[in-house]
Amino acid sequence: GAGVSQSPSNKVTEKGKDVELRCDPISGHTALYWYRQSLGQGLEFLIYFQGNSAPDKSGLPSDRFSAERTGGSVSTLTIQRTQQEDSAVYLCASSLEADGYTFGSGTRLTVV
Amino acid sequence: AQSVTQPDIHITVSEGASLELRCNYSYGATPYLFWYVQSPGQGLQLLLKYFSGDTLVQGIKGFEAEFKRSQSSFNLRKPSVHWSDAAEYFCAVAPLTGTASKLTFGTGTRLQVTL
Repeated sequence: GAGVSQSPSNKVTEKGKDVELRCDPISGHTALYWYRQSLGQGLEFLIYFQGNSAPDKSGLPSDRFSAERTGGSVSTLTIQRTQQEDSAVYLCASSLEADGYTFGSGTRLTVV
Repeated sequence: AQSVTQPDIHITVSEGASLELRCNYSYGATPYLFWYVQSPGQGLQLLLKYFSGDTLVQGIKGFEAEFKRSQSSFNLRKPSVHWSDAAEYFCAVAPLTGTASKLTFGTGTRLQVTL
């Protein structure tokens, strides 16, 4: 597609439930990133996929968070047993080279 | 590890006034440098970027930024602010590796424009 697409745009879930957030990167972009933006906070790196290399998971805040990227394209970020502190905007970005980061509009997650 | 500092959390300027948003980075070598803007409820839009060459970089919407190696700074400027510029601005760095790598962001500066 022309841009990075994220779905859903908004998600409200009950504490303790699992959620899946989806990211469709720009076609052909080899790198895909997930960031989290909490209220009043900056952008926190979560995970990074580059081609066929092992993902950089160094930013995942706990083992309740996981992500996969299928076929080098679509990525899903899964949060298990959601907690209220998981409420945030989750942003996805993709790039081909270091100068081409494009962000999606994000998924606003609210845990009630 | 690299870090980015945006010392101003919130700035208010009058429409038509000039603007400078500060950004300082800490990194072992000159990284890729970026400025992004985020309007309420929106994703991040790239304003401009610096890799090498001319240290004064022109971006979209009339913004420019100047890279100063001696000061490890990459400040964003605009000669005359418009009300539509009200948004949050993020400075970011990435390693100069030639391939895509993760961005490290500053905490952002929220710009308010008064009429």
